[in-house]
Amino acid sequence: DIQMTQSPSSLSASVGDRVTITCQASQDISSFLNWYQQKPGKAPKLLIYDASNLETGVPSRFSGSGSGTDFTFTISSLQSEDIATYYCQQYANPLTFGGGTKVEIK
Amino acid sequence: QLQLQESGPGLVKPSETLSLTCTVSGGSITSSSYYWGWIRQPPGKGLEWIGSISYNGRTYYNPSLKSRVTISVDTSKNQFSLKVSSVTAADTAVYFCASSGPRFMGTLVYWGQGNLVTV
Repeated sequence: DIQMTQSPSSLSASVGDRVTITCQASQDISSFLNWYQQKPGKAPKLLIYDASNLETGVPSRFSGSGSGTDFTFTISSLQSEDIATYYCQQYANPLTFGGGTKVEIK
Repeated sequence: QLQLQESGPGLVKPSETLSLTCTVSGGSITSSSYYWGWIRQPPGKGLEWIGSISYNGRTYYNPSLKSRVTISVDTSKNQFSLKVSSVTAADTAVYFCASSGPRFMGTLVYWGQGNLVTV
């Protein structure tokens, strides 16, 4: 099984801050990686697919990069509505999620 | 725009079989290249993929759950279903159905709102 190690598990930042989350795969997954946002009591929402592609309708302050085993998710300017838990997810073989990063406002 | 809605009992007894159904609207469950899946989330914890089924009926399961899980499609009702046998308290979770639409199986674009199942 491919393991996804996401860090940090939680973070606190101020509105307007740049926020970065990393995700490391236990083996090469090329660019078969997605990022999701989940707000309390809601289903996850796809933000980034294939490591770096912004899903339609998602604000451009969200971005993703990386390939192989190391990936990064960035919120360029944190907004209050971005408070949520973020998950990376690989689908190279077959499908696993990272442990999540809870983002809070400082 | 696809819409998915889970349904099923909220309480299941230990050792019994958990059964959930996902009703699809806004599209056909037999649409070419579409995948349909189940994901669960124990209270306060992260997401776990359970398995998926393709538009042509091929199934893919999480190896850790494979021996207890069955996913199937009912084309007459535009639904797909999940069965988990021999449940224990560890199977208590919110169960989500999801779909990739016409994209890669693992890109989950459309989600149901979730159904809490307590064992």
